[in-house]
Amino acid sequence: DAMVIQNPRYQVTQFGKPVTLSCSQTLNHNVMYWYQQKSSQAPKLLFHYYDKDFNNEADTPDNFQSRRPNTSFCFLDIRSPGLGDAAMYLCATSRRMTSSYEQYFGPGTRLTVT
Amino acid sequence: KNQVEQSPQSLIILEGKNCTLQCNYTVSPFSNLRWYKQDTGRGPVSLTIMTFSENTKSNGRYTATLDADTKQSSLHITASQLSDSASYICVVTNGNQFYFGTGTSLTVIP
Repeated sequence: DAMVIQNPRYQVTQFGKPVTLSCSQTLNHNVMYWYQQKSSQAPKLLFHYYDKDFNNEADTPDNFQSRRPNTSFCFLDIRSPGLGDAAMYLCATSRRMTSSYEQYFGPGTRLTVT
Repeated sequence: KNQVEQSPQSLIILEGKNCTLQCNYTVSPFSNLRWYKQDTGRGPVSLTIMTFSENTKSNGRYTATLDADTKQSSLHITASQLSDSASYICVVTNGNQFYFGTGTSLTVIP
């Protein structure tokens, strides 16, 4: 019963070549988050959507963009990946924005930049 | 500054033994504290969520405690199993924001 699905699980891209990571959910949650997690570090929030409202973290580089065409799907676009963007990218959902609601994480996409 | 610190950074224990992981935070105001288990190459999975008024919460062999006065939490794992090998992440929230610790990497060896 996968609830938060991320595709692909592993992605290799070349330096500077645009890449898109996908997240879908079967929970019908209002909020979808994208996190970047580098090795041995805590996940770092990049941005989130509350329904169609997009909220960018202040320190998220412009190189990272996101789209949410409908409730179920959310995409992370990296326009020109650099070597420093190699990381695990985690998608998460929650019913509401307030932290009293549980966050459900997907399995992540491991991005390698060559 | 809102921070979450976990200790130890890594831990190796023998299968069947107990262990305790620590989480100290400075997040204010406090909304709730969560413990997640993250297997290598996977997303975090929630173990417990505790609010201000909860001192202890259990989930099978996992027991979390919270002292909101000293801003400390611990996660106690009883009778460890090989499958407990993972990173354990403490997350403290203050309403809309989630503050992540860097995790404790636990290795259980036979």
